[in-house]
Amino acid sequence: AQSVTQLGSHVSVSEGALVLLRCNYSSSVPPYLFWYVQYPNQGLQLLLKYTSAATLVKGINGFEAEFKKSETSFHLTKPSAHMSDAAEYFCAVSSGGSNYKLTFGKGTLLTVNP
Amino acid sequence: DTGVSQDPRHKITKRGQNVTFRCDPISEHNRLYWYRQTLGQGPEFLTYFQNEAQLEKSRLLSDRFSAERPKGSFSTLEIQRTEQGDSAMYLCASSSWTGGAYNEQFFGPGTRLTVL
Repeated sequence: AQSVTQLGSHVSVSEGALVLLRCNYSSSVPPYLFWYVQYPNQGLQLLLKYTSAATLVKGINGFEAEFKKSETSFHLTKPSAHMSDAAEYFCAVSSGGSNYKLTFGKGTLLTVNP
Repeated sequence: DTGVSQDPRHKITKRGQNVTFRCDPISEHNRLYWYRQTLGQGPEFLTYFQNEAQLEKSRLLSDRFSAERPKGSFSTLEIQRTEQGDSAMYLCASSSWTGGAYNEQFFGPGTRLTVL
């Protein structure tokens, strides 16, 4: 079985500040890990993914995440927040078998204050 | 290159009515997934197809739900005798699968269902 826990349903930062969104996963086999962003009334857009290559993954819009097996974590960071980063962010895991279905966390709403 | 499209974008229905949603995947993608997202939650897997074959269904998919992908292209998701608990965003995603490595799932904009 696989699961994802996102710590903090709502994170608020100032424009230009560091963004840190936390994600811990549970998986019985080596996982694939993902971060998606969702803007209001839109579908999900992939920010970045970890698929057992480099543990530090760079994505779009300046985001990156580091896979830490010992901590079962995959936290998302961005050095400097921009107003356009305000959205809901979902961490997801896929593991076991070839179906590649995604199991998502409950999401973290990021607010960026001017 | 058009992305994944879903129709309708919004559907309001009365309890007990049947509804059907359509998903058109990216044309060369052989896999198609359905997810459901309720308010304040992340999307939850419902079912997926490889070409026209439905390979897995979640326990969330009660017998009131049926999904098809008759020609391996578009897919439909039907809910019979809708209940208020069916109110959610229904998301479709597609990907190409070549028998090995993971390929990205591309999501459509979703169909928001409201059951009154």
